[in-house]
Amino acid sequence: DIQMTQSPASLSASLEEIVTITCQASQDIGNWLAWYQQKPGKSPQLLIHSATSLADGIPSRFSGSRSGTQYSLKISRLQVEDTGIYYCLQRYSNPYTFGAGTKLELK
Amino acid sequence: QVQLQQSGAELVKPGTSVKLSCKASGYTFTSNHMNWIKQTTGQGLEWIGIINPGSGGTSYNVKFKGKATLTVDKSSSTAFMQLSSLTPEDSAVYYCARRGLISGYPDYWGQGVMVTVSS
Repeated sequence: DIQMTQSPASLSASLEEIVTITCQASQDIGNWLAWYQQKPGKSPQLLIHSATSLADGIPSRFSGSRSGTQYSLKISRLQVEDTGIYYCLQRYSNPYTFGAGTKLELK
Repeated sequence: QVQLQQSGAELVKPGTSVKLSCKASGYTFTSNHMNWIKQTTGQGLEWIGIINPGSGGTSYNVKFKGKATLTVDKSSSTAFMQLSSLTPEDSAVYYCARRGLISGYPDYWGQGVMVTVSS
């Protein structure tokens, strides 16, 4: 199985701050990566797909990038509503695998 | 609007089976594959498998082969997942999630159903 190593596990940041979360894939997965946000008691919401494409209805302060097998989610100006847990997902090969999650809180 | 309505919470005994449902609305059911995903505090999110509602074709995570069986009823636009030989390790929240036609990723998710396996 492809391992997705996500970091940091938790993060505390201030309003308007720039936040970056990363996922390291254990092998080449091309651009077959997505990012999700999950709020307590809710289902995950798709933010970014295909490593860099913004999902429908997602604010432009969210962006995705790739450098080799390292993938990053950037929030350009953190807002209150951005708190939650963020996950990456690879669908390059079966089984699809998720990162362990990054818990983002406001400082 | 796209909605995936999952069945209610289940409390089941070890060794038994449970069948979860996911009723789709707001789109053409047979146009999008349906994923099933397990979430636990300890293991995080795990992808169980995917079904093509049009053909009934399935692909499973080998970890869940023999544990999960995915089916659909096209007439009611409902996807099902049966979990068999339940153990406490199967206690989790289970989600159905539609695969987006453009993105190819789970885009719309059901609200999740909590399954508790306990004697």
